[in-house]
Amino acid sequence: EVQLVESGGDLVQPGGSLRLSCSASGFTFRSHAMHWVRQAPGKGLEYVSGISSDGGSTYYADPVKGRFSISRDNSKNTLYLQMSSLRPEDTAVYYCMKDRCSSINCYGRVIDYWGQGTLVTVSS
Amino acid sequence: DIQLTQSPSFLSASVGDRVTITCRASQDISSSLAWYQQKPGKAPKLLIYAASTLQSGVPSRFSGSGSGTEFTLKISSLQPEDFATYYCQQLINYPLTFGGGTKVEIK
Repeated sequence: EVQLVESGGDLVQPGGSLRLSCSASGFTFRSHAMHWVRQAPGKGLEYVSGISSDGGSTYYADPVKGRFSISRDNSKNTLYLQMSSLRPEDTAVYYCMKDRCSSINCYGRVIDYWGQGTLVTVSS
Repeated sequence: DIQLTQSPSFLSASVGDRVTITCRASQDISSSLAWYQQKPGKAPKLLIYAASTLQSGVPSRFSGSGSGTEFTLKISSLQPEDFATYYCQQLINYPLTFGGGTKVEIK
């Protein structure tokens, strides 16, 4: 059974930093691209970042470019999102997602599993 | 960025009703569209991918259609467990944008 478990969410002050983790099991983690998406309280879904199976290619949405960094440790089956210079508008539940593709540039992409999410609150 | 416009944003329906949700893309996305169901406090769940392919384990009352810029999600006979919010997502261009959501509530 595929499981994605996020952790690391917390209350942080504006300008602060936080690292989210997503622990994966039930599939061959090193063979799949992975993504982060967020959902502000009471709002819709916003794509944040993606990474290829080998970690060699990444993508960042404009609102987080230069502030967030996605990475993975395939030996630990774990995906990360390092967040810095946090702003109140970054407050959201952050979800990690599994891609059926290995590349982040893939025609016929399918994102088939989501974690339960971890809440990041940016406030003074 | 590709914009996805879902309609309606809110839908009130009864058990047994047939429900249709539309997702329009701001440019041609071929069949690179997925539909997700989200219940309160839960992660979204994949229902349909590649516009019309039912994800394994999803009831057959759900169906998807469309290509290019116009897509639909249909629920043939609404069940109590289907009351949720539904999102479409395009998967052809980054950022992988979502529609604004359709909340399906009990009439």
